[in-house]
Amino acid sequence: QVQLVESGGGLVKPGGSLNLSCAASGFTFSDYYMTWIRQAPGKGLEWVSHIGYGSDYTKYADSVKGRFTISRDNGKDSLYLQMNSLRADDTAVYYCARVSGSSLYLDYWGQGTLVTVSS
Amino acid sequence: SYVLTQPPSLSVAPGETARITCGGNNIGIKSVHWYQQKPGQAPVLVIYSDSDRPSAIPERFSGSNSGNTATLTISRVEAGAEADYYCQVWDSNSDHWVFGGGTKLTVL
Repeated sequence: QVQLVESGGGLVKPGGSLNLSCAASGFTFSDYYMTWIRQAPGKGLEWVSHIGYGSDYTKYADSVKGRFTISRDNGKDSLYLQMNSLRADDTAVYYCARVSGSSLYLDYWGQGTLVTVSS
Repeated sequence: SYVLTQPPSLSVAPGETARITCGGNNIGIKSVHWYQQKPGQAPVLVIYSDSDRPSAIPERFSGSNSGNTATLTISRVEAGAEADYYCQVWDSNSDHWVFGGGTKLTVL
């Protein structure tokens, strides 16, 4: 069965960095676009970034552009999000999700990893 | 950028029908997807491509999309349907995913 397991979250000071990972299993990872979605405490869902089949195609929300970098390792069935220059408003649960279909829906989600940016 | 508008909350009695709307400019020409999120859990896809349902989702969940409004309909609502529901589209102009603000469904 499809599984996505995020890791790497934690408490970090403003201006600090974190690298999130998402381990995929149960499907051919290289056949799917992948994405990161975040949810601030008590708030709605916010798309952060997505990546194509390789690492040559990436897109970012304006709120993280220039600070976050998405990447993937198809040999390790893993997705990553390098987060630099973190701010308090980056505090959120970060989910990785699989992109499916020509209409680009998110059919599987991980359980999420909490990132807290605070001094 | 493209904006999706959802009512913040909706309350229905058990056994009634819940209709959750998602408004957007000419949303009828886009494919709309819906996610259910229960407290402390990850979102779950309940409707994709306007009206298709993943195999694990009950038939009580259905969707429609026309004009400026997409609708998620939950028939014969049960207590287990109490959750936050989010609509989502792909905005081809910006190459971004867009989510509605979410609707909290309360079963009375």
